Amino acid sequence: KAGVTQTPRYLIKTRGQQVTLSCSPISGHRSVSWYQQTPGQGLQFLFEYFSETQRNKGNFPGRFSGRQFSNSRSEMNVSTLELGDSALYLCASSWTSGNTDTQYFGPGTRLTVL
Amino acid sequence: AQSVAQPEDQVNVAEGNPLTVKCTYSVSGNPYLFWYVQYPNRGLQFLLKYITGDNLVKGSYGFEAEFNKSQTSFHLKKPSALVSDSALYFCAVRPLSSNDYKLSFGAGTTVTVRA
Repeated sequence: KAGVTQTPRYLIKTRGQQVTLSCSPISGHRSVSWYQQTPGQGLQFLFEYFSETQRNKGNFPGRFSGRQFSNSRSEMNVSTLELGDSALYLCASSWTSGNTDTQYFGPGTRLTVL
Repeated sequence: AQSVAQPEDQVNVAEGNPLTVKCTYSVSGNPYLFWYVQYPNRGLQFLLKYITGDNLVKGSYGFEAEFNKSQTSFHLKKPSALVSDSALYFCAVRPLSSNDYKLSFGAGTTVTVRA
């Protein structure tokens, strides 16, 4: 079974631009979570979607948004990019909304903001 | 709010020696605990998890972890380390009975296994 896929793998943008990252979960998984990884802040939770509904949101500004489609694929969008948005963005999927589900991570999208 | 502490930024061991990576947690109620490993330029790879039951959990690649409720710890162990175990290791927690599905991660521990 294929793992979580994320596209693109690498992205370079300039300040003020916006960016959309894509995540395809493992087949059959319906929950998708997004995390930001930086050297200074570590791994921080952005948001989680299940059945096209955002159920949890981390402590990030409104410039960070996401959505989930009926096929469980998810996108996250960052508008008005800042230098501090440079990070590895990780997507994770799990089977259902159950509390005991394991999240499986994709390889990430490396975003560099110049 | 839940949190995880990984007190060691780096752990260095010789190949063939035991490896231990420490983790302590704070959570309301019972914890759901995980260990993940990250290789350079890769995502996080699931190693093992603890929900309930036996305090010693066995995972992938010969890793195991010991849950200690009184010490709120979940240390990762491997009896005989390999050079290929060199990577960044993360401990994570979330409350077992909660509608909050986010994982809270520790800062990570870099493991270096020398030949």
